[in-house]
Amino acid sequence: GENVEQHPSTLSVQEGDSAVIKCTYSDSASNYFPWYKQELGKRPQLIIDIRSNVGEKKDQRIAVTLNKTAKHFSLHITETQPEDSAVYFCAPTDSWGKFQFGAGTQVVVTP
Amino acid sequence: DTGVSQDPRHKITKRGQNVTFRCDPISEHNRLYWYRQTLGQGPEFLTYFQNEAQLEKSRLLSDRFSAERPKGSFSTLEIQRTEQGDSAMYLCASSFPTEETQYFGPGTRLLVL
Repeated sequence: GENVEQHPSTLSVQEGDSAVIKCTYSDSASNYFPWYKQELGKRPQLIIDIRSNVGEKKDQRIAVTLNKTAKHFSLHITETQPEDSAVYFCAPTDSWGKFQFGAGTQVVVTP
Repeated sequence: DTGVSQDPRHKITKRGQNVTFRCDPISEHNRLYWYRQTLGQGPEFLTYFQNEAQLEKSRLLSDRFSAERPKGSFSTLEIQRTEQGDSAMYLCASSFPTEETQYFGPGTRLLVL
C-alpha cells in the first residue's frame, strides 16, 4: 500500500520567514498531489495542488514543487504570517486514485 | 465555506449504543467519501460512493460500520455497538468524478464513554 511520510512533524518559524514541508510517497502510480491546511477544530481545506505533468506551481505566497523521480513533493510558504499557523497535510493519490494522508505538520508562526 | 455539511457536529454516546451521522455533499458532486481522523493524525479513508454505488471500503471499516447513499445525494454512516476506540472525528468529503480535488465537511466529533 501507499506509504506517505511528512517532515518535519512540527515547524516553528518567525513571522516573515519561509516554511518548507516535504512529503514522500511510495506509489509510483500517484499522479495528483494536494496540500491541505487544517486549523484547530476545523475542516481540512485545500490550499494548493499539483498534477504529475507539472514540476512547480505557485499561488501568491504558497508554492508546491514535485519530484516524481524521487517521489516527493514539497510545500513552500514564504513571508509567513500568524494566520499560517495550522496543521498541514499532504495527500498523494494511490494507484486507485484515493487520497493517502500524511500524519501532518504542525506549523507555528511566532510574531 | 465549501458547501459540504455534516450533522450532528458533536455526538456523545455510551459504549454499546448505535450512532448515525449524515453528510450532505455539494450538489453537483457525485463522489462522496468518508474519513476518520484521530487526534494528531491525518484523515484515514473509510469508504466512498459514486452516485449511490459504494465502490470501496477500507479494512478499517469493520462489520459494525455501514454507510449508505440511497439516492445518490446525502449519505449516512452508522456505527453499531460503539466502542471507546470509535471516538474520533468523522469527516465527509465530495468531489466531481472527473476531478481529484475533494472538499471536506466540518466533521462530526464522536465521543464514546
